[in-house]
Amino acid sequence: QKEVEQNSGPLSVPEGAIASLNCTYSDRGSQSFFWYRQYSGKSPELIMFIYSNGDKEDGRFTAQLNKASQYVSLLIRDSQPSDSATYLCAADISSGSARQLTFGSGTQLTVLP
Amino acid sequence: GAGVSQSPSNKVTEKGKDVELRCDPISGHTALYWYRQSLGQGLEFLIYFQGNSAPDKSGLPSDRFSAERTGGSVSTLTIQRTQQEDSAVYLCASSPGPVNYGYTFGSGTRLTVV
Repeated sequence: QKEVEQNSGPLSVPEGAIASLNCTYSDRGSQSFFWYRQYSGKSPELIMFIYSNGDKEDGRFTAQLNKASQYVSLLIRDSQPSDSATYLCAADISSGSARQLTFGSGTQLTVLP
Repeated sequence: GAGVSQSPSNKVTEKGKDVELRCDPISGHTALYWYRQSLGQGLEFLIYFQGNSAPDKSGLPSDRFSAERTGGSVSTLTIQRTQQEDSAVYLCASSPGPVNYGYTFGSGTRLTVV
């Protein structure tokens, strides 16, 4: 059973639209949630983190967290072709003797010009 | 250093040979992680070092894999008797401490076993 689930996509949106990326997690003890962007052939890059229920905005990006539903989302407003990448959701999951980030398998986003 | 540094960036090795992959974390980061990413796949956790504590090796796929971290800084991931299924990108990440800070990833080592 995967501990962090994402729709694998691919997700295509036209330029200027809102892209919505979703993620669920299994560990009710998770406190920290992250969104990473990974361009093809590159390593993951942290773009957003959220710890509290509700919305957190940073520029064109909004992260949303609902701990009761164990659900995290990322909204990208005014999507640009440069946003085309794979987006990885991560949550801190109890593993072995410590908590560490567990990653979803990623959602591939394509923004069409 | 300014970022997480990994070397080599690419490694081609023959099946059965041993390989060593190196990671130099961000200065002052106490936590260091190794992940593996196969083509088109997600990130697979391998091993975690936190300060001077015993490492969490729960993700190592077999006893051919081992890792060490010297002086709480540089880490080396060793794969013995490489197999074709070991071909992947090996990513190292570091963090200032608790997972709440998120991880900073290095650029990875692309390992190809032929």
